[in-house]
Amino acid sequence: GAVVSQHPSRVICKSGTSVKIECRSLDFQATTMFWYRQFPKKSLMLMATSNEGSKATYEQGVEKDKFLINHASLTLSTLTVTSAHPEDSSFYICSARGQKSGELFFGEGSRLTVL
Amino acid sequence: AQKITQTQPGMFVQEKEAVTLDCTYDTSDQSYGLFWYKQPSSGEMIFLIYQGSYDEQNATEGRYSLNFQKARKSANLVISASQLGDSAMYFCAMREGPRDSGYALNFGKGTSLLVTP
Repeated sequence: GAVVSQHPSRVICKSGTSVKIECRSLDFQATTMFWYRQFPKKSLMLMATSNEGSKATYEQGVEKDKFLINHASLTLSTLTVTSAHPEDSSFYICSARGQKSGELFFGEGSRLTVL
Repeated sequence: AQKITQTQPGMFVQEKEAVTLDCTYDTSDQSYGLFWYKQPSSGEMIFLIYQGSYDEQNATEGRYSLNFQKARKSANLVISASQLGDSAMYFCAMREGPRDSGYALNFGKGTSLLVTP
């Protein structure tokens, strides 16, 4: 079946650095991808909707300059956490719409720890 | 306002027993979809079952069934014959709009299920 892959699965970085997380659809083209953030033992909160070839749509309260999203191709969306701070530490999950109506696939998630 | 409500933060069930995880939703859309996902400690989101708002029959997938009560706006997940491997967080989610709308899912806060021997 269709697979969405995220990389890296875990990343530790120093405060002030930038971190890029990749979300790839492995065997299908995804015109729309979604980025979620999940705090420990909490629900998934939608951060932004990423559309191929256009600017991402951010949810209220999500800083677009902080969380840069690029969806340059039909199989790749990237989330860059810029100038990371410890409060950005979280679990980030992407999802992608499949080609069949209603299909939605999730990546494995990326755990970011900012020291 | 919360669109998806899961009132059970945690549930226990004995192996081989059935368990119901509650989910209520709030939407004014006529066309919407309801999902259940399982999230083990590894973090990945595993799709379990889907129910469309116009589906007349309750969805079933193996040991999972969705008790869809449209008038009450509830979409409870029933897991039959629980297994130890079912221990995980379970999230109810809703997509507002038709299947091809491209809208993201709204998630509930989740229910932690522990299956005991």
